Amino acid sequence: EAEVAQSPRYKITEKSQAVAFWCDPISGHATLYWYRQILGQGPELLVQFQDESVVDDSQLPKDRFSAERLKGVDSTLKIQPAELGDSAMYLCASSIRGPGELFFGEGSRLTVL
Amino acid sequence: QQQVKQSPQSLIVQKGGISIINCAYENTAFDYFPWYQQFPGKGPALLIAIRPDVSEKKEGRFTISFNKSAKQFSLHIMDSQPGDSATYFCAASKLSGYKLSFGAGTTVTVRA
Repeated sequence: EAEVAQSPRYKITEKSQAVAFWCDPISGHATLYWYRQILGQGPELLVQFQDESVVDDSQLPKDRFSAERLKGVDSTLKIQPAELGDSAMYLCASSIRGPGELFFGEGSRLTVL
Repeated sequence: QQQVKQSPQSLIVQKGGISIINCAYENTAFDYFPWYQQFPGKGPALLIAIRPDVSEKKEGRFTISFNKSAKQFSLHIMDSQPGDSATYFCAASKLSGYKLSFGAGTTVTVRA
């Protein structure tokens, strides 16, 4: 069964360091999402790509977060510098095109010390 | 601003009982209402979804009830089983747009 792949699964870093997360969506899925899930809360959309273009990044803290999907396939989310409040699960999801069923990866859990 | 409000935060039910989770929304432009199930250490997975042109949708032991006039929808889990123990998220979006807004989640514990 096709899955959304994410790495690393766990990342511990000190504040002010840079971190990066990688996502490989299900093959053929044009839409890719990065969500942040703080413990005990629902996922919050950070950025959405349609192919290689950003559709929505209104909730992305652009002073420290960046995301790219250069060839419209896999994607990287970067945080620089990391802050204590960035500790969360970072979830990648994909869908065939636009809304409808989102397929989530297992997430990357970030702990900032 | 949270666009979808979900309650309760957690619930405990005996095996065979009924679990009920409620959600409310404000944006009348929303026209797609899915429920996602998340187990510890895993990403959410789509459980069931409804469009506002129907008032109820049933898939196995899971039923969504939708009240368009009240801007509310709910998930009923019938004959709850220990394997149903998970966190459930309601969500909403416009099908013509792409942004899916999630509720805060309900942790369901089914006691054997």
